[in-house]
Amino acid sequence: DVKVTQSSRYLVKRTGEKVFLECVQDMDHENMFWYRQDPGLGLRLIYFSYDVKMKEKGDIPEGYSVSREKKERFSLILESASTNQTSMYLCASSPDRVGNTIYFGEGSWLTVV
Amino acid sequence: AQTVTQSQPEMSVQEAETVTLSCTYDTSESNYYLFWYKQPPSRQMILVIRQEAYKQQNATENRFSVNFQKAAKSFSLKISDSQLGDTAMYFCAFISRVYNFNKFYFGSGTKLNVKP
Repeated sequence: DVKVTQSSRYLVKRTGEKVFLECVQDMDHENMFWYRQDPGLGLRLIYFSYDVKMKEKGDIPEGYSVSREKKERFSLILESASTNQTSMYLCASSPDRVGNTIYFGEGSWLTVV
Repeated sequence: AQTVTQSQPEMSVQEAETVTLSCTYDTSESNYYLFWYKQPPSRQMILVIRQEAYKQQNATENRFSVNFQKAAKSFSLKISDSQLGDTAMYFCAFISRVYNFNKFYFGSGTKLNVKP
């Protein structure tokens, strides 16, 4: 089975802190994604990566950055956390083949106080 | 622009009954893929069912089936014999090939509550 692991399930951070959310997948997938999930808004794409060291902005990249130094690992960085970044963050991966599905981690609940 | 719309924020169904979740999408592409994902209260999203747009036959997975109407750009999910374990958020998704990689678009979700 594909496994996408997010290192932290629940985090509480203070406004202005730098926050790292880590994600690892074990299936050698080319594509990795970070989504943000908020009630009524569904999943919104923050960033995605289709190869090591490659990244593309999604729909809501402001206030976020990402890092993909190794194929299996994709990190989301909040440079200076703000209260409006309180949310559920979902990491996902997908093979780079047309029509392939996407596999999700369990999610990271981030609260910024 | 690709969009996915789920017009039912929340639904309820009695155990053992049938429920249909609606999804419409908008795309100018002729070949694409559609998915339904389930997110139980434990929060891990899992794939329920997948439909290839060039296939006219509706996909079926055990108690889950879809009604795919390509001309109407509609992709509804039918859950038969609902079980308590079906209680979850359900997301409709569409996949597009953008610059040689896959991009997924998700609807806003439908919260399904199965009542005993």
